[in-house]
Amino acid sequence: SQQGEEDPQALSIQEGENATMNCSYKTSINNLQWYRQNSGRGLVHLILIRSNEREKHSGRLRVTLDTSKKSSSLLITASRAADTASYFCATLPQGGSEKLVFGKGTKLTVNP
Amino acid sequence: EAGVAQSPRYKIIEKRQSVAFWCNPISGHATLYWYQQILGQGPKLLIQFQNNGVVDDSQLPKDRFSAERLKGVDSTLKIQPAKLEDSAVYLCASSVGGNQPQHFGDGTRLSIL
Repeated sequence: SQQGEEDPQALSIQEGENATMNCSYKTSINNLQWYRQNSGRGLVHLILIRSNEREKHSGRLRVTLDTSKKSSSLLITASRAADTASYFCATLPQGGSEKLVFGKGTKLTVNP
Repeated sequence: EAGVAQSPRYKIIEKRQSVAFWCNPISGHATLYWYQQILGQGPKLLIQFQNNGVVDDSQLPKDRFSAERLKGVDSTLKIQPAKLEDSAVYLCASSVGGNQPQHFGDGTRLSIL
């Protein structure tokens, strides 16, 4: 079963614009992770945010987490054509499980 | 640091045939995962190993899928016999364990005719 649900399913923007993707989940989590997947490739880990954290930055990426709303957002600032990819959130549920549960992803297209 | 290696990259077989995928994780990573990713969806965990022991195989269709990780390093995933619905990308990932980020290979794209 898939716990995370990304929104929107697809997003098309111009180079230089910001891209925001949202993720909602259902159960309590240990942490939430964002991954990127380029076409025909494996997933690449972007950022991990723990349940006791509210915001995290990495380069042009900013992730927020609201555990009261069971939601997270990924912001990519000043997007580039190379950011074109699918972005997945993955949750690690509380309770000792090491099983990441992925959403269906947001397909981002950045037009040059 | 070498990444997760998978082979083959592509495989086409007919239904009811068997197929095997191979994965070599990042050196020193104790935890190894096999995922199935159907087109347009996120990866779904099939099986997780800690060293050479199985941690979670609750979503592995055990009547047709099997996996092993001999000596706690390389792993193979086998499907026998294959069904049309097994068409997907099979991804292998590894991590140092616990709740640490996972490192993925580029996957094997399986097409069933």
